[in-house]
Amino acid sequence: QQQVKQSPQSLIVQKGGISIINCAYENTAFDYFPWYQQFPGKGPALLIAIRPDVSEKKEGRFTISFNKSAKQFSLHIMDSQPGDSATYFCAASGIQGAQKLVFGQGTRLTINP
Amino acid sequence: NAGVMQNPRHLVRRRGQEARLRCSPMKGHSHVYWYRQLPEEGLKFMVYLQKENIIDESGMPKERFSAEFPKEGPSILRIQQVVRGDSAAYFCASSFSGGAEQFFGPGTRLTVL
Repeated sequence: QQQVKQSPQSLIVQKGGISIINCAYENTAFDYFPWYQQFPGKGPALLIAIRPDVSEKKEGRFTISFNKSAKQFSLHIMDSQPGDSATYFCAASGIQGAQKLVFGQGTRLTINP
Repeated sequence: NAGVMQNPRHLVRRRGQEARLRCSPMKGHSHVYWYRQLPEEGLKFMVYLQKENIIDESGMPKERFSAEFPKEGPSILRIQQVVRGDSAAYFCASSFSGGAEQFFGPGTRLTVL
């Protein structure tokens, strides 16, 4: 119930393509869903986040799509660039309740030039 | 540097020694979280602290691990009598309040020989 399942584990996309990473959760108490980007040897960096009162949020080339009924959310990276090559983690937490972030297993994204 | 600071960045200990990891939150942040990342895995929550209080330690191993966030100074994650299985990257995150937007430090990579 506290798990967040992320797929795929790894993803290769051509430069200029769309990268899509999916996550699913079970606990309906989750009400905050961030995505983090991590480069090798670095800490995770907050990329974009969404709350369940909206179905989509866009910031630049990054979009989160949220499906509350299916308990799924996804990250779309438009016009993917080699500099986007990193590991991406989805996460979930309950703002009014537990503050801890529950992370997915991560997706290693490679953008081929 | 207004970001979350962690030191040391790399720490090598022999089995049975103690490891002390330090975290200074972002300026103005009084909430600190510790996470552990094993190789090729996602981050796992360990403990959530506010100044002088442990709020949630549900992810902390029952033995050998402790954490504090004193009124003055950094938060400390202490691991006594380290074992090889403790080898991991330990990340600290901070937030302004109990809200979910957490910002991560660069991590401390602990290697136990």
